[in-house]
Amino acid sequence: EDKVVQSPLSLVVHEGDTVTLNCSYEVTNFRSLLWYKQEKKAPTFLFMLTSSGIEKKSGRLSSILDKKELFSILNITATQTGDSAIYLCAVEAMEYGNKLVFGAGTILRVKS
Amino acid sequence: DAGVTQSPTHLIKTRGQQVTLRCSPKSGHDTVSWYQQALGQGPQFIFQYYEEEERQRGNFPDRFSGHQFPNYSSELNVNALLLGDSALYLCASSVRLAGFADTQYFGPGTRLTVL
Repeated sequence: EDKVVQSPLSLVVHEGDTVTLNCSYEVTNFRSLLWYKQEKKAPTFLFMLTSSGIEKKSGRLSSILDKKELFSILNITATQTGDSAIYLCAVEAMEYGNKLVFGAGTILRVKS
Repeated sequence: DAGVTQSPTHLIKTRGQQVTLRCSPKSGHDTVSWYQQALGQGPQFIFQYYEEEERQRGNFPDRFSGHQFPNYSSELNVNALLLGDSALYLCASSVRLAGFADTQYFGPGTRLTVL
């Protein structure tokens, strides 16, 4: 059965800190790994990763995928209170339909 | 450019009742997926619709059914509601490219409470 495990489950940091969120997965016929940020309700798309070793960046956020070791990390540098959210990792299988299998998420709280 | 919209925002029902949730996809998107997110958990895939047909289904009972209309909007129906159906129901839309659904974008969700 396809599975995604995120760690840590939650963490509290101070503004300006750097955080690393982890996502490991087991999926048959892997197609892509996605990161979403969920603040109140709608998860908002951050990154889609399909190739190993290629870092994707967007401002202070970056992410990389290791398809050999089956994990991804999401880094946030110089954290701000607006980064407080649940960060969801999901994997997409190469099936017709491409359902997303999500992890439980990491709850990040950034204190000022 | 309107994003994914869902209605209603909140809903309270009692056990045994039936509920219908609605979703309008992002402009240009033709594929709609539904997810259930219980408190403290990640979203769980319910099913996906494309060309008005259910294309893939997760591990949910037949009480969960859906429909997609010619304008690509979709409904999720849940019959015989149970307390455990209380959750945030998320709709995600995407566009199908070369046989695959591209990046899924989520709506704000419908919070269903079953008493």
